[in-house]
Amino acid sequence: GAVVSQHPSWVICKSGTSVKIECRSLDFQATTMFWYRQFPKQSLMLMATSNEGSKATYEQGVEKDKFLINHASLTLSTLTVTSAHPEDSSFYICSATQFGSTPGELFFGEGSRLTVL
Amino acid sequence: GQSLEQPSEVTAVEGAIVQINCTYQTSGFYGLSWYQQHDGGAPTFLSYNALDGLEETGRFSSFLSRSDSYGYLLLQELQMKDSASYFCAVRSSNTGKLIFGQGTTLQVKP
Repeated sequence: GAVVSQHPSWVICKSGTSVKIECRSLDFQATTMFWYRQFPKQSLMLMATSNEGSKATYEQGVEKDKFLINHASLTLSTLTVTSAHPEDSSFYICSATQFGSTPGELFFGEGSRLTVL
Repeated sequence: GQSLEQPSEVTAVEGAIVQINCTYQTSGFYGLSWYQQHDGGAPTFLSYNALDGLEETGRFSSFLSRSDSYGYLLLQELQMKDSASYFCAVRSSNTGKLIFGQGTTLQVKP
């Protein structure tokens, strides 16, 4: 099956700093990736759709200047949380679709747990 | 707006059958997916229904009624390892993005 890898798995940073999370498709090319955020015991909230070679499409209410998404290649998308604050502490998880797979199937990375002090 | 409703918690015993319902209201609909997520882990895909009817995959089955905007996940012969959160998710466009429900926490007891 398709493998998506995220890095780092855990990150702790000070308030006001920026954090970059990488999402890679290891054995397939992903023209589209999706970034979700999940608070404890809650649902996965879609933040944005990352498109290779073009600007990301952000969901309503998501600050695009705070959550910078770059999809520079067919196997890598990055999410940068800029000027992070404690309320940004969450589980960030990326996913991708694979050409030819079941339409409703997303392949998820392992997730990145961000703690902002 | 878009909304998906599913029960927050379900408890069952080993060997039993449990059904997790999901009703949805979305601006577009291409299909309904189900995912399992264990604590601290990533969601894993279980099933997808684009058309009305029942899809069976081993111990898990999923049903969809498009006219009722309703679906369910049926888990049979429950095992302790099935204790997890289960999410329904609507594929609301052909971009592949999924909108997730709030999740149902299933606790399987001995």
